[in-house]
Amino acid sequence: GAVVSQHPSRVICKSGTSVKIECRSLDFQATTMFWYRQFPKKSLMLMATSNEGSKATYEQGVEKDKFLINHASLTLSTLTVTSAHPEDSSFYICSAGPQGYEQYFGPGTRLTVT
Amino acid sequence: GESVGLHLPTLSVQEGDNSIINCAYSNSASDYFIWYKQESGKGPQFIIDIRSNMDKRQGQRVTVLLNKTVKHLSLQIAATQPGDSAVYFCAETEYGNNRLAFGKGNQVVVIP
Repeated sequence: GAVVSQHPSRVICKSGTSVKIECRSLDFQATTMFWYRQFPKKSLMLMATSNEGSKATYEQGVEKDKFLINHASLTLSTLTVTSAHPEDSSFYICSAGPQGYEQYFGPGTRLTVT
Repeated sequence: GESVGLHLPTLSVQEGDNSIINCAYSNSASDYFIWYKQESGKGPQFIIDIRSNMDKRQGQRVTVLLNKTVKHLSLQIAATQPGDSAVYFCAETEYGNNRLAFGKGNQVVVIP
C-alpha cells in the first residue's frame, strides 16, 4: 500500500514557541492531505484539509492562525503549531491517498508542550 | 479537552476466539465506511472497507457487516490472535469526499 511518513515522531517544546510537523507521501502524489488530532484514549478529530497550491480548509472550531498549514508540493504538507501551549500537547496524525477515497495514515507525531 | 480517567470500551477475548466490534454511525448520507486498527503510539492502519450498496464484505480473517436501516457497522475478527490487540475505529464518509469522521473506538485485548 501507499506510504505516508511524518517527521518528527516526537517533539518537546517550550510554551510560546512554534513547532513544525511534516507529512510526506513517499510513493505517490497527493493533492489533498488531512490533519487529525488525537487525545489519549480518544478518537481522531479532523482538524483541516490541506490542499496543494491553495489554502487549507479548517474544520469548525479549529483556529487557522494557531495551526498553520502549508501544502507546497504534491508530496509534502506541513502543520505548524504557533505559540504552543500545554493544551496543544497531543498526537497529531496526517493522512493522504493516491486516489479518491483511499486514505493512508502517517505514524503520528507526539507533541508535548512544557 | 480530554476527560481524565475516561476509558475506551474494551473487549477482552481469548486467543483463538472470534471478536465482534460494533459501531454506530451518525450521518445518513454516509455511503462509505472503513475500519481501522490503531496500535499504541502509531497511526491508524486500514483493515477493510465497505460501500453502502453492500451489507457484507469479507477479507482475510475479517468481515464487515453494514446495516443502513439502523446505521450500524460491525467488524468480526476470526480466530483472534495476540497481534490483533489494538484499538479499532470505524470511520464514515460520503464516497468521493475524503473527509473521514471517526467513531469513538474500541479496545480489543487478546488473552493468550
